[in-house]
Amino acid sequence: EAQVTQNPRYLITVTGKKLTVTCSQNMNHEYMSWYRQDPGLGLRQIYYSMNVEVTDKGDVPEGYKVSRKEKRNFPLILESPSPNQTSLYFCASSIDRVSGEQYFGPGTRLTVT
Amino acid sequence: EDKVVQSPLSLVVHEGDTVTLNCSYEVTNFRSLLWYKQEKKAPTFLFMLTSSGIEKKSGRLSSILDKKELFSILNITATQTGDSAVYLCAVYDPRLTFGEGTQLTVNP
Repeated sequence: EAQVTQNPRYLITVTGKKLTVTCSQNMNHEYMSWYRQDPGLGLRQIYYSMNVEVTDKGDVPEGYKVSRKEKRNFPLILESPSPNQTSLYFCASSIDRVSGEQYFGPGTRLTVT
Repeated sequence: EDKVVQSPLSLVVHEGDTVTLNCSYEVTNFRSLLWYKQEKKAPTFLFMLTSSGIEKKSGRLSSILDKKELFSILNITATQTGDSAVYLCAVYDPRLTFGEGTQLTVNP
């Protein structure tokens, strides 16, 4: 089944404890990206990657890191999480770099206390 | 800075009504405009528009883009309770910038 998977789906952590949210797609998509969704602010792009070893900042990259060492994986790293990073996070992938048609993962609910 | 504005932010209708959702944008390197539907989970893709004046249709949903006036509309005819959701508009350049969404509620 073609899909984007994220792990974990739910995470409660404490300020300053490094964490990684994994994202994997099995559709051989070139483009992958991370978003956060907050009430009243909508979906905002954190980082995107147009191919292996190519990553670019989205609208809200501060406090996040990403890497794209393999085509199928695009992990999101929070080196020192803070409470303002409490949010719902979505990973998405797109078959090409031209259209922007994205397929979203199920989401990761992160709470930082 | 890229900007996407959707209106209305919230809409309540009765089953059978027709609704029009609006999306205006300002973006530097426009490649496409996309519509998504979000129920209480991840957004799901509805339409991608790249050319002005060409209507995209899928059942009771349709959408059109005006690249001169920088807006798009999403129409839903004969609404059903299952259409209740947040409808998101986004522009791709190749970052993807979303609007805040329109919360549509369809009452029986």
